[in-house]
Amino acid sequence: AQSVSQHNHHVILSEAASLELGCNYSYGGTVNLFWYVQYPGQHLQLLLKYFSGDPLVKGIKGFEAEFIKSKFSFNLRKPSVQWSDTAEYFCAVRSWGKLQFGAGTQVVVTP
Amino acid sequence: EAQVTQNPRYLITVTGKKLTVTCSQNMNHEYMSWYRQDPGLGLRQIYYSMNVEATDKGDVPEGYKVSRKEKRNFPLILESPSPNQTSLYFCASSLERGGYEQYFGPGTRLTVT
Repeated sequence: AQSVSQHNHHVILSEAASLELGCNYSYGGTVNLFWYVQYPGQHLQLLLKYFSGDPLVKGIKGFEAEFIKSKFSFNLRKPSVQWSDTAEYFCAVRSWGKLQFGAGTQVVVTP
Repeated sequence: EAQVTQNPRYLITVTGKKLTVTCSQNMNHEYMSWYRQDPGLGLRQIYYSMNVEATDKGDVPEGYKVSRKEKRNFPLILESPSPNQTSLYFCASSLERGGYEQYFGPGTRLTVT
């Protein structure tokens, strides 16, 4: 079955630390990849997306993600987090027109 | 302002009492979708619609109905709610089925007692 896996359910780190969230998928063929963020009490917002071209994509708020086709991965990174990055992060994969989300990673950034 | 709106934002109801959660978008999007969000499960698609009068089941459609009579509106109907439908519900829209970014509504927190 097709699936989207996020490696960590909860991550706690201090301000200025680097963040990397893993995302793997099991789809074959062409995929479109997304990272969404959900701040406390808010709806999901798009952080970045990959459709084709340069596998390193840059998004809003200093986030970037790298698509590694051979590893079926699309990991999200930020070199230096801020307290305001506390949120839940969702990886999503579109294949054959269907969008499927991972279970999410809750990130808490402590001052 | 381009947006997806949902109403109500919070709802507490009892088992078996029919309810409707409305969703409306002002971006002339063709594709609309409903998701439920549960801890540890992420977002799961309930139903989607590729255009007016075109709806289809997502991953977890049991216990839900939808309709798409107008392009802008996509209500979610629970004919006989049960406690396992207690969840956070999001409506989303996009230009087409998945090739573009989905815009999400603010969410509706439903509790069924």
